[in-house]
Amino acid sequence: SQQGEEDPQALSIQEGENATMNCSYKTSINNLQWYRQNSGRGLVHLILIRSNEREKHSGRLRVTLDTSKKSSSLLITASRAADTASYFCATPGQYNFNKFYFGSGTKLNVKP
Amino acid sequence: EADIYQTPRYLVIGTGKKITLECSQTMGHDKMYWYQQDPGMELHLIHYSYGVNSTEKGDLSSESTVSRIRTEHFPLTLESARPSHTSQYLCASSEWFGGSGEQFFGPGTRLTVL
Repeated sequence: SQQGEEDPQALSIQEGENATMNCSYKTSINNLQWYRQNSGRGLVHLILIRSNEREKHSGRLRVTLDTSKKSSSLLITASRAADTASYFCATPGQYNFNKFYFGSGTKLNVKP
Repeated sequence: EADIYQTPRYLVIGTGKKITLECSQTMGHDKMYWYQQDPGMELHLIHYSYGVNSTEKGDLSSESTVSRIRTEHFPLTLESARPSHTSQYLCASSEWFGGSGEQFFGPGTRLTVL
């Protein structure tokens, strides 16, 4: 698989706390994306970071990308119960950009 | 309203039946995708399409087939369903070539083959 591991596999925090999840990948990329999935439904796009960017913000989300380590992190600040979901990172294929590879996901549980 | 639809949402069917999972999008996207996902696991690309009359297999071997006769429609067919096909199937579309933009996902079809 092109995609490496996401960690942790599961994370349980209290409302108001910050949540950090990490993603590693194996090949050169031109962008990395993060998605959220609620209760086994379809995925929702959260944020895209390009390979020439190191950090990107969107509301309570902060994404970093370290291409030298082939890793990315997603930080959710001031978490809410509604943030409970699985979070996946995704990267395009190295040789075929139309293919998309997803990580195994981090299951986040935010307790009220 | 621009969206992506999948029907049925849930399907329980006996072994050997032929089934078609429907996927339609109203965004005019050329790129469409089918993923298979087991509960709590990663998504695996099984088919994708660049546009009308273009279909390609993904990395995960699948006995399903797809067609793309119209831009908005990308159905997936299993000629003879087996218990090993039990999974969730997610359809997605994208405007951008080369994975450079976000993918929009449908709500998924949860298939159970008895």
